[in-house]
Amino acid sequence: KQEVTQIPAALSVPEGENLVLNCSFTDSAIYNLQWFRQDPGKGLTSLLLIQSSQREQTSGRLNASLDKSSGRSTLYIAASQPGDSATYLCAVPGAGNMLTFGGGTRLMVKP
Amino acid sequence: EPEVTQTPSHQVTQMGQEVILRCVPISNHLYFYWYRQILGQKVEFLVSFYNNEISEKSEIFDDQFSVERPDGSNFTLKIRSTKLEDSAMYFCASSSATGIIQPQHFGDGTRLSIL
Repeated sequence: KQEVTQIPAALSVPEGENLVLNCSFTDSAIYNLQWFRQDPGKGLTSLLLIQSSQREQTSGRLNASLDKSSGRSTLYIAASQPGDSATYLCAVPGAGNMLTFGGGTRLMVKP
Repeated sequence: EPEVTQTPSHQVTQMGQEVILRCVPISNHLYFYWYRQILGQKVEFLVSFYNNEISEKSEIFDDQFSVERPDGSNFTLKIRSTKLEDSAMYFCASSSATGIIQPQHFGDGTRLSIL
């Protein structure tokens, strides 16, 4: 059974800092990995989907990498801003395209 | 940008009552999903739906749950006899025709509170 873990569970940084969020998964037979953002009381906003054939995917200040063999993905956020404060979730698909989610990293960027 | 919409945003129901949560997926999407998130816990998969039938369901999705696409736009989740432990945020998601390699897009969720 796929297990997805995210470290750290919470992170507080000053504005402007570059930061890395980590995601690990136990079953490396995945065809993609998706990163989401969740604001309090809100739904999930898809940030990046990285295919198993890709090593990196970029969108603005966000960069996601994927290493299937080691079962890891990282989300790099450059020049963090207070508006980046949210919970970041990673998820991997399984049978029926069902997503298995990590527990998330709660990010606080202080002005 | 097209989005998934869910109604109601908050539903309060007495234990044992039936509840129907509604979703309008993105219009050209063909794969539909329901997830739930109990407060403080991970987002959990419930069911996936394609071509008018369930393609996968989790062990959470027991006989009390059902899904339906009653027309060309709505996708519903019914809980027949609600229990206290059904209290959670329920998310609907959809993805396009090539669902396997396309991202899932989520709605803002329905917060279900069972009293």
